[in-house]
Amino acid sequence: GQSLEQPSEVTAVEGAIVQINCTYQTSGFYGLSWYQQHDGGAPTFLSYNALDGLEETGRFSSFLSRSDSYGYLLLQELQMKDSASYFCAVRDRDDKIIFGKGTRLHILP
Amino acid sequence: DSGVTQTPKHLITATGQRVTLRCSPRSGDLSVYWYQQSLDQGLQFLIQYYNGEERAKGNILERFSAQQFPDLHSELNLSSLELGDSALYFCASSPGTGLYEQYFGPGTRLTVT
Repeated sequence: GQSLEQPSEVTAVEGAIVQINCTYQTSGFYGLSWYQQHDGGAPTFLSYNALDGLEETGRFSSFLSRSDSYGYLLLQELQMKDSASYFCAVRDRDDKIIFGKGTRLHILP
Repeated sequence: DSGVTQTPKHLITATGQRVTLRCSPRSGDLSVYWYQQSLDQGLQFLIQYYNGEERAKGNILERFSAQQFPDLHSELNLSSLELGDSALYFCASSPGTGLYEQYFGPGTRLTVT
């Protein structure tokens, strides 16, 4: 079956760096996206990788290795407002969009 | 504010009933996506429309249907409601058909009693 695996929870300290991993198993692959969702809020787009390598957007970076079916989201200089759930998502060959179950990021002061 | 609007914000209804959720995409966006998010669950992709045509279908139940109108707004119809249909329903829009950068609306919280 098709699946995306990401850790259910990650804890880090304010000001530190944290990496959230995502491995996928899908029929076809058309890019990996990351979304942030605060409790009670809507998901917001963070980044997208179609090709291998690192994409950087401010404090957030995202990496993709298509040969390993693996990607990660890197958050630097963590702030308390980064406490949220983070979802990876892919699009398969039938154009279905598959989201991971999400990683809840806890940030300690 | 993503520019995507959804109505209503909250909906409480009884089992067996039918409801319609409405979504207006961002100005200029041609694609509309519908997602269901249950408690402690990730986002389940239901269906995508692009410029009025169905583009992709996910795990959408036969009791659910959707359409996109000429003005590009979309409606998700849920019928014969069951307790398990209680969830947050999100609509998202994007300019094209790819996965890149979808903009999500605030969601409709549906409670089936």
